[in-house]
Amino acid sequence: SQQGEEDPQALSIQEGENATMNCSYKTSINNLQWYRQNSGRGLVHLILIRSNEREKHSGRLRVTLDTSKKSSSLLITASRAADTASYFCATAGNTPLVFGKGTRLSVIA
Amino acid sequence: NAGVMQNPRHLVRRRGQEARLRCSPMKGHSHVYWYRQLPEEGLKFMVYLQKENIIDESGMPKERFSAEFPKEGPSILRIQQVVRGDSAAYFCASSPPGTGPSDTQYFGPGTRLTVL
Repeated sequence: SQQGEEDPQALSIQEGENATMNCSYKTSINNLQWYRQNSGRGLVHLILIRSNEREKHSGRLRVTLDTSKKSSSLLITASRAADTASYFCATAGNTPLVFGKGTRLSVIA
Repeated sequence: NAGVMQNPRHLVRRRGQEARLRCSPMKGHSHVYWYRQLPEEGLKFMVYLQKENIIDESGMPKERFSAEFPKEGPSILRIQQVVRGDSAAYFCASSPPGTGPSDTQYFGPGTRLTVL
């Protein structure tokens, strides 16, 4: 299975701190995507990183991809209370998107 | 520009009844994907459709579940003779022409199905 697995399962930080979430997967991929899900809502696409890219930025988000280790990380800098949500990585290969179980991030004001 | 619309947002059914979940993709999008999410779990792919065609249904249970995306109107996910284990959040996503299931998808708010 190429299912992504996020680590940690839950993360609690103070507002202003940085949050780092990791994702590991098992098979080769075309790209890896990160999504955010607020409680009781649908998923919102955050960023897509292709297999030939190593790092990508979008605002306060920084994503890295290490295909040799089959892992990715999502860094949220200067976190805000509004960043409180679940974050999922999704791997894309020759099959439809495969989502991990997510990291639940709580940012305390 | 309206996003992906799903209705109903909440659906309660008794065991043995039928559940119909509707999804209207974003304007201009021709690809629809259905996912199921159990509590504390990630999304699991069910089916990928284009207008009038099922492209990939590898994640659909073999029995009781069906999906369609007619030429006109929303995509429908139909669950016949529901059981308690069908209780979950069902999400629809869409993507524009020229994309595929490995590209960015735009998600609806989901339908939360509760089977009593």
